Amino acid sequence: EIVLTQSPGTLSLSPGERATLSCRASQSVSSSYLAWYQRKPGQAPRLLIYGASSRATGIPDRFSGSGSATDFTLTISRLEPEDFAVYYCQQYGSSPITFGQGTRLEIK
Amino acid sequence: QVQLVQSGAEVKKPGASVKVSCKASGYTLTSYGISWVRQAPGQGLEWMGWISTFNANTHYAQNLQGRVSMTTDTSTSTAFMELRSLRSDDTAVYYCARIAKWGEEFFDLWGRGTLVTVSS
Repeated sequence: EIVLTQSPGTLSLSPGERATLSCRASQSVSSSYLAWYQRKPGQAPRLLIYGASSRATGIPDRFSGSGSATDFTLTISRLEPEDFAVYYCQQYGSSPITFGQGTRLEIK
Repeated sequence: QVQLVQSGAEVKKPGASVKVSCKASGYTLTSYGISWVRQAPGQGLEWMGWISTFNANTHYAQNLQGRVSMTTDTSTSTAFMELRSLRSDDTAVYYCARIAKWGEEFFDLWGRGTLVTVSS
């Protein structure tokens, strides 16, 4: 099973700043099958990025994904107030599908 | 509106079973697979398995084999997840999620979740 480790656990930033979230895999993720999700309290998770770097439909271009093999990054170029949430990475390159523990992005 | 609407919260005793439903609206259920994911209090997201809504093939997480069943009713566009022999550590929010692209199991649509509480 591929273990995904997200860092930091909590990130405190101000609107307008740049956010960099990390997701490290215990083994190489096949075909860069790595997705990122955003979740806000009481809401369903929202797909942001798939295939490590492809933005999902309707996702603003301030969200970008990068990386390969074992190191992946989600970058939010300029934080908007609605971006403060919990972010999860997920690998789907091998079974079982696994998720990271999440990074909480909070307002500083 | 494209959405997955899940059934309401459940409280069950240890040893009982629970069946959670997930109704697809705004799209054809059989065009996409469905996965189930759960999150226990204070824990991360745990993938439980998937079902092909086209041919009913299933693939379950190894740690749930024998206790979980995923089914669909295409006449009502509804997917179901049944978990048997419930334990206290099955207390969690259960999500259904649409598999965006068959063969690439990332999820482009999620339900809002169903809280299942297992308590004596």
